[in-house]
Amino acid sequence: AQSVTQPDIHITVSEGASLELRCNYSYGATPYLFWYVQSPGQGLQLLLKYFSGDTLVQGIKGFEAEFKRSQSSFNLRKPSVHWSDAAEYFCAVVAMEYGNKLVFGAGTILRVKS
Amino acid sequence: NAGVTQTPKFQVLKTGQSMTLQCAQDMNHNSMYWYRQDPGMGLRLIYYSASEGTTDKGEVPNGYNVSRLNKREFSLRLESAAPSQTSVYFCASSEGYGNPTGTYGYTFGSGTRLTVV
Repeated sequence: AQSVTQPDIHITVSEGASLELRCNYSYGATPYLFWYVQSPGQGLQLLLKYFSGDTLVQGIKGFEAEFKRSQSSFNLRKPSVHWSDAAEYFCAVVAMEYGNKLVFGAGTILRVKS
Repeated sequence: NAGVTQTPKFQVLKTGQSMTLQCAQDMNHNSMYWYRQDPGMGLRLIYYSASEGTTDKGEVPNGYNVSRLNKREFSLRLESAAPSQTSVYFCASSEGYGNPTGTYGYTFGSGTRLTVV
């Protein structure tokens, strides 16, 4: 079965520092991969997605992610974090066994310290 | 603003009570979904509706039923609530089923926080 692993439950970074959130997936073929962000009390907002082609994808709010097939990873990065980036981040992959529906990782809570 | 609207935003139920969570989207999307979110477990799919008139089970359907009332509305019903159903419930919609550029552009509602005591 397809699955998504986010190894870090919590991450704390200083404002202005760089950020990398890890995501690993298990799937044989080329997956469809996504990153979502959830601010407290809010729904989920799509940051970026990868279907095929260029392995470095750009998203909203200055985020990017790189697909690495050899490592089964799709890590999210941002060069300089802002206090407003504090939120929970979810990596997701399409699940073929549920009719192409999204399967989410457990999430990573990002805290930004000033 | 266009989007997905969920009601209610908060609800407290006693064990054994029933209730229906409502969801409506105004984007003319074909597919709709119900997820539950629990700490440390991400979002898990309860039920989905690929198109009007169809519904299918997701990862955690036990204890729930759904109705796709029309293209806009997709409701989730708890017939006999249990404490294990305490969670935050999210409804989402997408343009189509099986379309890479459409299906995966999910729009989420702001959630219903349900507590069963």
